[in-house]
Amino acid sequence: EVYLLESGGGLVQPGESLRLSCVASGFTFSSYAMSWVRQTPGKGLEWVSAISGSGDSTYYADSVKGRFTISRDNSQKTLSLQMNSLRADDTAVYHCATRTKHGRSFLFDFWGQGTLVTVSS
Amino acid sequence: EIVLTQSPATLSLSPGERATLSCRASQSVSSYLAWYQQKPGQAPRLLIYDASNRATGIPARFSGSGSGTDFTLTISSLEPEDFAVYYCHQCYNWPLTFGGGTKVEIK
Repeated sequence: EVYLLESGGGLVQPGESLRLSCVASGFTFSSYAMSWVRQTPGKGLEWVSAISGSGDSTYYADSVKGRFTISRDNSQKTLSLQMNSLRADDTAVYHCATRTKHGRSFLFDFWGQGTLVTVSS
Repeated sequence: EIVLTQSPATLSLSPGERATLSCRASQSVSSYLAWYQQKPGQAPRLLIYDASNRATGIPARFSGSGSGTDFTLTISSLEPEDFAVYYCHQCYNWPLTFGGGTKVEIK
């Protein structure tokens, strides 16, 4: 069974940093592209970042580019998101998710339950 | 960035009725459009991919159509378990984007 467990969320002040982790089990982690997707009650779902299975390719939403860094350790089956210069509008529940090919599209298949990040002074 | 606009924001219907949800893209996404369903406290579930293909295990009452910039998700006859929020999502190019969601609620 596929299982994704996020951790590392918490309350931080604007400008501070946080590192999120997602530990995977139940599938061959290195074979799957992964993503971070965040969700807020007012703004719905927002894709944050993605990384290829090998880790060679990374992608970011414009809203986090230059502040967030996605990485993975395939030997530890762990996905990470380093978040720097956090802002109030980064407040959200952050989910890690697998990306799998369906037809012509790579789509989010399995999701973790998420970790809450709150940025507030 | 491709902006996806979903309408209506809320759809109030009764079980057994037909639901029609719209998603409009700010530029063409070809057929790289998916639909997800999300219930409270749960992760999103993939319903439709490539605009019109049902994902594994999705009932036939769910159907998707469209290409380019205009897409529709239709639920032919609402079941009690279908009342949820629905999001469209484009994977045509980076950055990936979601629509703002349509909440289907019980009338």
